[in-house]
Amino acid sequence: NAGVTQTPKFQVLKTGQSMTLQCAQDMNHNSMYWYRQDPGMGLRLIYYSASEGTTDKGEVPNGYNVSRLNKREFSLRLESAAPSQTSVYFCASERGGGGSDEQYFGPGTRLTVT
Amino acid sequence: KQEVTQIPAALSVPEGENLVLNCSFTDSAIYNLQWFRQDPGKGLTSLLLIQSSQREQTSGRLNASLDKSSGRSTLYIAASQPGDSATYLCAVRMDSSYKLIFGSGTRLLVRP
Repeated sequence: NAGVTQTPKFQVLKTGQSMTLQCAQDMNHNSMYWYRQDPGMGLRLIYYSASEGTTDKGEVPNGYNVSRLNKREFSLRLESAAPSQTSVYFCASERGGGGSDEQYFGPGTRLTVT
Repeated sequence: KQEVTQIPAALSVPEGENLVLNCSFTDSAIYNLQWFRQDPGKGLTSLLLIQSSQREQTSGRLNASLDKSSGRSTLYIAASQPGDSATYLCAVRMDSSYKLIFGSGTRLLVRP
């Protein structure tokens, strides 16, 4: 039982390049989330998926797209990376709907855009 | 707009001391509150989840309390150890929404 896994762990991109961050959970959770963590800004929600087949915008969705590929996997895509997207990205999952459960986080992807 | 504040931003204590970390929030209509631990360069580890109807939760040497009316939660760590050194984050959820609102964390150092 690996919990929440993320790939890659580190990535350096040039401005304008694209990439997809992968996230998978093996806990049979319904809800999944993407956050970014920046010094002085804390953790902010980018997108979430309340259940398989649905996605919704969070606090800072601009410049990102997501895909809930199946119940296990939730990917985050940067179509044209910008230096402002340099951050640490965390994926999280939660068992049920309604927001009553704990969120479990992955180890993060450290992204630098030059 | 809900705001979550954690004071102090950093705390250094000698090993063995009992300590309290504070979390305050401006809107008392929360659904639940979750405490996390984050080690340097790592993800967040969930420590305790308190539902709005609960007053406290305990796990080992950790005890978290919730006072909705005053907009406060505290995380009590008993008999602190160097391995407790980490950043502790609290996060609140409003009215069964999916969004967690995080505080900026308290960076704890427990000195041997």
